[in-house]
Amino acid sequence: KAGVTQTPRYLIKTRGQQVTLSCSPISGHRSVSWYQQTPGQGLQFLFEYFSETQRNKGNFPGRFSGRQFSNSRSEMNVSTLELGDSALYLCASSPATSAGTNTQYFGPGTRLTVL
Amino acid sequence: GQQLNQSPQSMFIQEGEDVSMNCTSSSIFNTWLWYKQDPGEGPVLLIALYKAGELTSNGRLTAQFGITRKDSFLNISASIPSDVGIYFCAGPNYGGSQGNLIFGKGTKLSVKP
Repeated sequence: KAGVTQTPRYLIKTRGQQVTLSCSPISGHRSVSWYQQTPGQGLQFLFEYFSETQRNKGNFPGRFSGRQFSNSRSEMNVSTLELGDSALYLCASSPATSAGTNTQYFGPGTRLTVL
Repeated sequence: GQQLNQSPQSMFIQEGEDVSMNCTSSSIFNTWLWYKQDPGEGPVLLIALYKAGELTSNGRLTAQFGITRKDSFLNISASIPSDVGIYFCAGPNYGGSQGNLIFGKGTKLSVKP
């Protein structure tokens, strides 16, 4: 089975721009979660989607948004980029079954640099 | 809120040595996950634990779900250079939905050949 894929792998943007990141989960996985990883804050939860609905959201400003499509693929968008948004953005998928519901499998990440 | 305290923060060991690291939580977990992350890559799931007292192995790696449900341990036996990386523990954030994990700060492992 193919793993979680994320595109692009690297991205350079300037302050004020917006960016869209894409994630394709493992086939059959219906839950997709997004995380931001920085050296200072570590891995922090952004939001989670299940069956095209956002089920939970972390403590990030409204500039961070996402969506999920009917094929479970997900995108996240960051508008009005700030320098502090530079980070590794990770997508994780989960089968969301009753056993091992929380077991998440991560993609390679998108490294976003904001200049 | 929930916090995961992972220790040690870093370890420098000789190839062939055994390694132990642990993770403690301020609240009870029903799942413990251990991941390894290489530089510039996403975390890779090593071991998942779902039951208090559970002991699970994956090759040279062994992890245990603490009886109190507030801690977990990861051991690596006979370390090799490719074990280098950052090891994270993670568990579900009960303040959120099933898709929300919280992570420890990681244990950075360095192996001297």
